[in-house]
Amino acid sequence: QSVLTQPPSVSGAPGQRITISCTGSSSNIGAGYDVHWYLQLPGTAPKLLIYANNNRPSGVPDRFSASKSGTSASLAIAGLQPEDEADYYCQSYDSSLSGSVFGGGTKLTVL
Amino acid sequence: QLQLQESGPGLVKPSETLSLSCTVSGGSISSSSHFWGWLRQPPGKGLEWIGSIYYSGSTYENPSLKSRVTISIDTSKNQFSLKMRSVTAADTAVYYCARDVVTTGWFDPWGQGALVTVSS
Repeated sequence: QSVLTQPPSVSGAPGQRITISCTGSSSNIGAGYDVHWYLQLPGTAPKLLIYANNNRPSGVPDRFSASKSGTSASLAIAGLQPEDEADYYCQSYDSSLSGSVFGGGTKLTVL
Repeated sequence: QLQLQESGPGLVKPSETLSLSCTVSGGSISSSSHFWGWLRQPPGKGLEWIGSIYYSGSTYENPSLKSRVTISIDTSKNQFSLKMRSVTAADTAVYYCARDVVTTGWFDPWGQGALVTVSS
């Protein structure tokens, strides 16, 4: 069981907007620790998508955005494209564990 | 451009020690701004942070793995390493090394990953 909770799967049609939630607790997201998001294409290493809650690394399209509130965070993808089909993970720091924790991952299917 | 590359045996016997190295290129592992981390992903499952090390040798590990894990660093070779003792089939995973930007921060970039299978 992952410390951060994500829906196992989400889906959307090309051009649509979807969101992926990431729910934590008072020892991680709720404690004010930043949330980061990764994209993992099949058979490849995770790639940083969003860092420090809502910042996009160079090269990440502005179709990807994220937010954080209370003990939860969410990733939004606008204008879905077939190449967005991948697994998405959230990550934060947990003070009880004194280390990084991840969500279980969400598989995005572009219909 | 910073790049990381894992290396080590792809097959380890149960109860033995898993050993992996990560070679950093395109930048110095002695950067005072970052840690260097190990993570893993069992087949078909999610990501798990194993532990991270600073260039000074200071480490912090996942409490669930701490008793079996040793992370070390060799700044002369621009490498850091992972040793995991007493492995079982549950330790079969793709092992990744990555730059740990700050202790409460993110991992970027990642190595391509190394599959380690625990089997007799």
